Amino acid sequence: KQEVTQIPAALSVPEGENLVLNCSFTDSAIYNLQWFRQDPGKGLTSLLLIQSSQREQTSGRLNASLDKSSGRSTLYIAASQPGDSATYLCAVMHTGNQFYFGTGTSLTVIP
Amino acid sequence: DAMVIQNPRYQVTQFGKPVTLSCSQTLNHNVMYWYQQKSSQAPKLLFHYYDKDFNNEADTPDNFQSRRPNTSFCFLDIRSPGLGDAAMYLCATDGGMVTGELFFGEGSRLTVL
Repeated sequence: KQEVTQIPAALSVPEGENLVLNCSFTDSAIYNLQWFRQDPGKGLTSLLLIQSSQREQTSGRLNASLDKSSGRSTLYIAASQPGDSATYLCAVMHTGNQFYFGTGTSLTVIP
Repeated sequence: DAMVIQNPRYQVTQFGKPVTLSCSQTLNHNVMYWYQQKSSQAPKLLFHYYDKDFNNEADTPDNFQSRRPNTSFCFLDIRSPGLGDAAMYLCATDGGMVTGELFFGEGSRLTVL
């Protein structure tokens, strides 16, 4: 069964710092990988979607990479801002509409 | 504009009093999901529909039921809520095998007194 792990569980950085969030998965036969942001008491907002044939996706200050063979993805956030404070989750999709989520990394950006 | 809309955003109920949560989507996606998420945990899949074909996860308690009367709407019924059912309930749709991108609603926070 697929297992998705996100380390660290919590991260605190000063404003302006570049940072990397990690996501690892045990079964590399994925269809895609998606990064989400979740604010307290809210639903999940999709940030980036990487198809299995792709290596990376970029949106503004965010860049997500995917290395299927090693079972790893990273989310790079450039020039972090206090508004980036949230929990970031990754999820992998297998055929048959099966999604597996990590437990997230809680990010705090200190002004 | 919101594409997946959940109501109510906050629901308070008493132990054992039935609750219904609703979800609507404007994306015309065939697949809809109900997830339960507790604090600091990953979302846990309760049910999913491919069109009107209903699938419940093996470990979804019998206390939970779901209905999907049409493509746009889906309901989650909790027949006799217990304290352990207090959680955020998330509805999602996906873009099918073309993209497989998940779209979530804002969630319904259930409190059980």
